[in-house]
Amino acid sequence: GEDVEQSLFLSVREGDSSVINCTYTDSSSTYLYWYKQEPGAGLQLLTYIFSNMDMKQDQRLTVLLNKKDKHLSLRIADTQTGDSAIYFCAVHNAGKSTFGDGTTLTVKP
Amino acid sequence: NAGVTQTPKFQVLKTGQSMTLQCAQDMNHNSMYWYRQDPGMGLRLIYYSASEGTTDKGEVPNGYNVSRLNKREFSLRLESAAPSQTSVYFCASSEISSAFFGQGTRLTVV
Repeated sequence: GEDVEQSLFLSVREGDSSVINCTYTDSSSTYLYWYKQEPGAGLQLLTYIFSNMDMKQDQRLTVLLNKKDKHLSLRIADTQTGDSAIYFCAVHNAGKSTFGDGTTLTVKP
Repeated sequence: NAGVTQTPKFQVLKTGQSMTLQCAQDMNHNSMYWYRQDPGMGLRLIYYSASEGTTDKGEVPNGYNVSRLNKREFSLRLESAAPSQTSVYFCASSEISSAFFGQGTRLTVV
């Protein structure tokens, strides 16, 4: 089945850019998602990208997709302390999504 | 407010007891899902339902059953709870460009 990998931790300073990376194995994935989870809460969909796109920008968020390398990234510009959370990459295929283990982003003032 | 409502929020069960987790969505989504989340891990899919009347096994279905009662509701049943089922359970509903998660049920099996 699908395998989705993310690095576990990222720490940045407030105002810097954050880049969270994700790799996956199934090249037939149709949609790729980024979710944010704050403590004690469910997941919140941040953005998604179709597999036939290579970039999508949504305010401070930029998603890059390299299909050849099966690599997805989420860039957060001007990172704020409120961006501290766990970020999950998810890859969708055949009606269901497979999630990475999440990257904990810590933003230091 | 639009969203996914899960009940209960917390539950403690003794080994061997049964319970049903309820989930309802009001966004008219076809697809609904049940996940479990364990510490330091992502979400693992237990069961999903692509449309009313259909259900399919996910990655970790053993020990669980589901019912897609109607388009709005998707319940998860533990027939005989085991300590390995201690986890946080999330229900979700989605279409291609939108996905909503419930707030989670924290289940402890002792």
